[in-house]
Amino acid sequence: GAVVSQHPSRVICKSGTSVKIECRSLDFQATTMFWYRQFPKKSLMLMATSNEGSKATYEQGVEKDKFLINHASLTLSTLTVTSAHPEDSSFYICSAQPNYGYTFGSGTRLTVV
Amino acid sequence: EDKVVQSPLSLVVHEGDTVTLNCSYEVTNFRSLLWYKQEKKAPTFLFMLTSSGIEKKSGRLSSILDKKELFSILNITATQTGDSAVYLCAVGTNRDDKIIFGKGTRLHILP
Repeated sequence: GAVVSQHPSRVICKSGTSVKIECRSLDFQATTMFWYRQFPKKSLMLMATSNEGSKATYEQGVEKDKFLINHASLTLSTLTVTSAHPEDSSFYICSAQPNYGYTFGSGTRLTVV
Repeated sequence: EDKVVQSPLSLVVHEGDTVTLNCSYEVTNFRSLLWYKQEKKAPTFLFMLTSSGIEKKSGRLSSILDKKELFSILNITATQTGDSAVYLCAVGTNRDDKIIFGKGTRLHILP
């Protein structure tokens, strides 16, 4: 149980385009989901907290207009990278909290060319 | 400022060895400490610790928390090459639902 599904697992896009990443909790409801970004050989950096039915809370230094988060239902949060640039290339992971611990999605490898 | 510090940052041992990974923390309103194993993709959950002195065990892995000294250790006995990964320590607080990650320990097991 407590599965978080993230899609797509890998995406390559051109500079200037937007990319949407979905994060779904499959067997539990998640009023809160978290979006992380991971740089090579570094730890996970929290980008924002996604709150169902309200605005996301962004960490300091994260551009809210660039990384749009929508949490329209109790099982789905989306992260849209707008006007992507090569420096946005990274591994993005979402997580949610079922009864205990935190469950992560499988991650999305974004490459902007 | 809340922080989680892991040591060592990198460790190389031979198969069969026992390793101990360290995690110390300074956070306000501590709730839980979590250990994850990360290979190529997303981290996989290993343990969640909330009480001091109670060892959690799963196969060759075990972990324990010391809330007085603010640290935790993750032990892996009889290591195997499949144990090669980055091991992440994270701390959750009661202040919000966020968890704060350490930088991880990169473990490499030589055959």
